[in-house]
Amino acid sequence: QKEVEQNSGPLSVPEGAIASLNCTYSDRGSQSFFWYRQYSGKSPELIMFIYSNGDKEDGRFTAQLNKASQYVSLLIRDSQPSDSATYLCAVNPYSGGGADGLTFGKGTHLIIQP
Amino acid sequence: DGGITQSPKYLFRKEGQNVTLSCEQNLNHDAMYWYRQDPGQGLRLIYYSQIVNDFQKGDIAEGYSVSREKKESFPLTVTSAQKNPTAFYLCASSALAGDSGQYFGPGTRLTVT
Repeated sequence: QKEVEQNSGPLSVPEGAIASLNCTYSDRGSQSFFWYRQYSGKSPELIMFIYSNGDKEDGRFTAQLNKASQYVSLLIRDSQPSDSATYLCAVNPYSGGGADGLTFGKGTHLIIQP
Repeated sequence: DGGITQSPKYLFRKEGQNVTLSCEQNLNHDAMYWYRQDPGQGLRLIYYSQIVNDFQKGDIAEGYSVSREKKESFPLTVTSAQKNPTAFYLCASSALAGDSGQYFGPGTRLTVT
């Protein structure tokens, strides 16, 4: 059974600080990794994906992947109140969008305090 | 505008009735997916399809059925055999190749009483 684990939170971070969200996965053969942001009552929105070990930066977001440790993280710099949401980690055993669907964690609830 | 549409946004049904949820995409994506989300839970895969006229069961397919007669459309039927149908249903699509991810529609919130 493929599993993706996230701390449910809530994770409370002051405005302007760095928010760090973590995710571990059980399937060592997983190839691609995704972070989604989900506001309450809304559908998930893709914000980052990463395939290779190391860091990938996009604006205020940085995704970090360590396949040896089966660990992926998302850093949000200069956190804003609008970043308050649930962040879902998703894992795919295939590269690309995922032929067989993604395995999702339950999400981390992030609160940015003004 | 390219995107994924789902209708209706809210749906109410009586127990014992079948109901069909619509999903349409104009992103020219080959693959489409249905997920279910329950409060405090992650998304769980119901069915997926990589090509027209072909689809595969996901982790929780019992009580659901799908069809894929057109590339753009992937409707989901929640049958009376589904024991706990009340949930937030999410449709997604993706390209099969290249760097990409799955993109979600706005969802349909189904309540069965």
